[in-house]
Amino acid sequence: DAGITQSPRYKITETGRQVTLMCHQTWSHSYMFWYRQDLGHGLRLIYYSAAADITDKGEVPDGYVVSRSKTENFPLTLESATRSQTSVYFCASRLEDTRGDTQYFGPGTRLTVL
Amino acid sequence: QQQVKQSPQSLIVQKGGISIINCAYENTAFDYFPWYQQFPGKGPALLIAIRPDVSEKKEGRFTISFNKSAKQFSLHIMDSQPGDSATYFCAASIQFYGNKLVFGAGTILRVKS
Repeated sequence: DAGITQSPRYKITETGRQVTLMCHQTWSHSYMFWYRQDLGHGLRLIYYSAAADITDKGEVPDGYVVSRSKTENFPLTLESATRSQTSVYFCASRLEDTRGDTQYFGPGTRLTVL
Repeated sequence: QQQVKQSPQSLIVQKGGISIINCAYENTAFDYFPWYQQFPGKGPALLIAIRPDVSEKKEGRFTISFNKSAKQFSLHIMDSQPGDSATYFCAASIQFYGNKLVFGAGTILRVKS
């Protein structure tokens, strides 16, 4: 099916471990985004990418690393997970069309850091 | 710094009633104001959006009202239905800067049947 897929959907890890969250889109949208969702904060932008090999920081980038070697993939890595990174992570891609400017979100990854 | 403030945090409305969610923003450079709807266990999905050159936009039972001078915008859901029960997020962005969305904290809407 076309769209955005994220894996894993659920992940439990321990403090200090490295974790990589995967994001794949089938549309070839140029822009891709990573958000974290926490109660009381809405969604906050971690990193975004305007195209392959072009990435930039968002509002809360500390402790995260991204890469984008191919247009369709945008993995997010937590180099040394901390409890404060327990959250739900959403990947999104952007399309400008007749309706306007839309971000399409994946189903999310629920990450728990013990 | 919260650039988009959303209220209320939660809202209970009777079936058939009007649901109203409000947002206020600080950055006058924002030029795109979408609302996203999120059901439990799902990612947010675009519901409706407005640009500051109009004061109101309607799509079916959903209406955005926009007040540029007050830096406020709101979502009205007419004839609210139980299927509208979800979390709603307002957002704002500057199109020139790649539409990096700044989200409000969200409103949990429950429509009682």
